[in-house]
Amino acid sequence: EAGVAQSPRYKIIEKRQSVAFWCNPISGHATLYWYQQILGQGPKLLIQFQNNGVVDDSQLPKDRFSAERLKGVDSTLKIQPAKLEDSAVYLCASSSDRGSGNTIYFGEGSWLTVV
Amino acid sequence: GESVGLHLPTLSVQEGDNSIINCAYSNSASDYFIWYKQESGKGPQFIIDIRSNMDKRQGQRVTVLLNKTVKHLSLQIAATQPGDSAVYFCAERVSGTASKLTFGTGTRLQVTL
Repeated sequence: EAGVAQSPRYKIIEKRQSVAFWCNPISGHATLYWYQQILGQGPKLLIQFQNNGVVDDSQLPKDRFSAERLKGVDSTLKIQPAKLEDSAVYLCASSSDRGSGNTIYFGEGSWLTVV
Repeated sequence: GESVGLHLPTLSVQEGDNSIINCAYSNSASDYFIWYKQESGKGPQFIIDIRSNMDKRQGQRVTVLLNKTVKHLSLQIAATQPGDSAVYFCAERVSGTASKLTFGTGTRLQVTL
């Protein structure tokens, strides 16, 4: 079974530029998550989708971050404009339902450096 | 707010010895806990989980212990191998928060030969 796929793996941009990350969850997984992991810290949830609806986006900086999952499968996370403090790994994860005990599987992450 | 923290940032263990990684959590409403392993340059990998109605769960070479009285979680790795070198995170989910996980800052396990 294929895992969670993410691209690009690495991205370097200048501050105030924009960037987009793509995620393809495990086939059949209804729930998709985007986490931000700053170096030396644990992952922090940015947004959670159930199919194509948003379940939780309370920690998403909505003035610059946006995410969508239009057809309930793939998802895109966008940052515009980027700030230096956005340098982090952006992890996509998925689970088979709303996650009541079901395992959450992570992708390899998209590493963003803002200079 | 809720927090999950780890007692030791770095743990050094000799190959073949047992490892114990500890984690404290502060929210008594948490009902589900997971341990993840993260190798350099990779995403977190699920190791083992435990629900709050249990106090012990065993997997292959790993055991998770939950002490709800003192809000403490531990991961025991038997016969530690070089491949176990990684950062280990505990994560908790508060009951009713629809699978939102709160992660600690991680413990780095270094296995020496």
